[in-house]
Amino acid sequence: DTAVSQTPKYLVTQMGNDKSIKCEQNLGHDTMYWYKQDSKKFLKIMFSYNNKELIINETVPNRFSPKSPDKAHLNLHINSLELGDSAVYFCASSQVFGNTIYFGEGSWLTVV
Amino acid sequence: GQQVMQIPQYQHVQEGEDFTTYCNSSTTLSNIQWYKQRPGGHPVFLIQLVKSGEVKKQKRLTFQFGEAKKNSSLHITATQTTDVGTYFCADPTGNQFYFGTGTSLTVIP
Repeated sequence: DTAVSQTPKYLVTQMGNDKSIKCEQNLGHDTMYWYKQDSKKFLKIMFSYNNKELIINETVPNRFSPKSPDKAHLNLHINSLELGDSAVYFCASSQVFGNTIYFGEGSWLTVV
Repeated sequence: GQQVMQIPQYQHVQEGEDFTTYCNSSTTLSNIQWYKQRPGGHPVFLIQLVKSGEVKKQKRLTFQFGEAKKNSSLHITATQTTDVGTYFCADPTGNQFYFGTGTSLTVIP
């Protein structure tokens, strides 16, 4: 079983659309993350979340919002997609903040 | 936000040559982690260093944590084509878990 799974793996969509990427972890971890990786391979943290606290990177536009129905899920919703949103989005989890991070396989988003 | 810089950004080596990537932080780190991302893949945890001056080895990989806990390095001896990928250091201090800028390694057979 995949420890951290995210869907869809590939997503091509038009500017202005709203889309969601789903993420689930079966590791029993308390903390989940969303990272954005651009074409230069920079891994930028977008959100850190556990059942007590949501930490939002201040540089993330408010068009991006995490939604967590329960501890095992952290979905990413993006409103009004822009060309610059094209990237690979990684969901990840760790036992608690600061522990080893386990990444999902990534979701390749292309905005046209 | 915090920044963890890595150099070089890219490195091409002949198979069998050694490779080193360096990680530098503007602040003192409680610990540092290293990850490897294969082309088309996702980052995978390699190791964590906690103590000042700590050195750890994994086969051909040697990891060091600086005495001041502001820098770290990863050295690969006699690179192989399987070493290809991007290597990231990561600062798990606090609750934001920042990754370094990464070093992409290409190994020429």
